[in-house]
Amino acid sequence: GENVEQHPSTLSVQEGDSAVIKCTYSDSASNYFPWYKQELGKRPQLIIDIRSNVGEKKDQRIAVTLNKTAKHFSLHITETQPEDSAVYFCAASRNWGKLQFGAGTQVVVTP
Amino acid sequence: DTAVSQTPKYLVTQMGNDKSIKCEQNLGHDTMYWYKQDSKKFLKIMFSYNNKELIINETVPNRFSPKSPDKAHLNLHINSLELGDSAVYFCASSQDAGIYGYTFGSGTRLTVV
Repeated sequence: GENVEQHPSTLSVQEGDSAVIKCTYSDSASNYFPWYKQELGKRPQLIIDIRSNVGEKKDQRIAVTLNKTAKHFSLHITETQPEDSAVYFCAASRNWGKLQFGAGTQVVVTP
Repeated sequence: DTAVSQTPKYLVTQMGNDKSIKCEQNLGHDTMYWYKQDSKKFLKIMFSYNNKELIINETVPNRFSPKSPDKAHLNLHINSLELGDSAVYFCASSQDAGIYGYTFGSGTRLTVV
């Protein structure tokens, strides 16, 4: 089955700096790669996703890149703000497959 | 309107008891899931139903039994609760095999004492 590894487990950044979270996956048939943000005590919420036919996707301050050959994908947050502080999860799945999550990255943005 | 709603939000119970968590989605999605989030925040899938049919059943103790009376509802019944069952349980739903992402409920924090 799919195995998703996520690094780092914690990330502290100064407000205004960039944050990068990296994930690798094992199943070459995986074709959907979403990222979720979970604030303390809240539900995970989808913030951006990418499919295997696309190499990069951007939405305002967040962007995701996918390298299918190397089986890794990354989340980039630019100009970080205190409200970006949360746990971020990467995930991977194939059609009709389960969404397998990474272990999460605790991002702390300090003013 | 809450898209995916779970009840109860908090559940504190003694070891050995039986409890249920209910989930309802009003998004018209055809697939629903139960995920368990442990104290280290790891999200692990437990079950998945597509149009009332079980399609994913991970290695979960058989004390856990899901039930889907219709495609808008997926309930989770837990027998003989153990301390290790303490976690946050999230219900989620998706359309078209999840290719548009999952929508999560607000979670049920289960504490077994």
